[in-house]
Amino acid sequence: GQQVMQIPQYQHVQEGEDFTTYCNSSTTLSNIQWYKQRPGGHPVFLIQLVKSGEVKKQKRLTFQFGEAKKNSSLHITATQTTDVGTYFCAGTTVSGSRLTFGEGTQLTVNP
Amino acid sequence: ETGVTQTPRHLVMGMTNKKSLKCEQHLGHNAMYWYKQSAKKPLELMFVYNFKEQTENNSVPSRFSPECPNSSHLFLHLHTLQPEDSALYLCASSQVQGGGTSGGYEQYFGPGTRLTVT
Repeated sequence: GQQVMQIPQYQHVQEGEDFTTYCNSSTTLSNIQWYKQRPGGHPVFLIQLVKSGEVKKQKRLTFQFGEAKKNSSLHITATQTTDVGTYFCAGTTVSGSRLTFGEGTQLTVNP
Repeated sequence: ETGVTQTPRHLVMGMTNKKSLKCEQHLGHNAMYWYKQSAKKPLELMFVYNFKEQTENNSVPSRFSPECPNSSHLFLHLHTLQPEDSALYLCASSQVQGGGTSGGYEQYFGPGTRLTVT
């Protein structure tokens, strides 16, 4: 079945450092979504990417969708303590079936 | 955020108990989902309901029984659970176009029910 893998599993950074999490799929995706889950909270939708090579920005967050539509990345510039949480990618196969979540990258930011 | 509510927020039950989890969405969406989130595991999709019809059952054991009486309410009935069923159970909803499946649509999650089976 479809697998979506994320690396790293954990990332500890000092406030002000950059952070990147990578998402890789075993199959070609029609789209990919990113979610953030704060400690003790629930996943909150951040963005969806659909086009090959697409890049979208939300303030300090930059999302990319690979040319082959099998990988994606989320980059945070100059992390802040409010960025703490687990970031999940979730992909949908070309057949348009269910959303499959990656294991997530847990980010901690030291002030 | 109050778009998707879940009750109870915490539940402790014995293996012989029967309990139900409730989810309600106030967003006018037409699809609802149950997910299981265990420690160190990805979010696992359990059930999908589109337009009140169950469209996906992701090989979930029969001790979990979903019910969707209308497009705003979703229940998960639990009976004879095992300790390994302890997890955070999340409900989500989305607006699906043309009777499609779960993929490709932004999902709005509720706060979850933290379930502990003793």
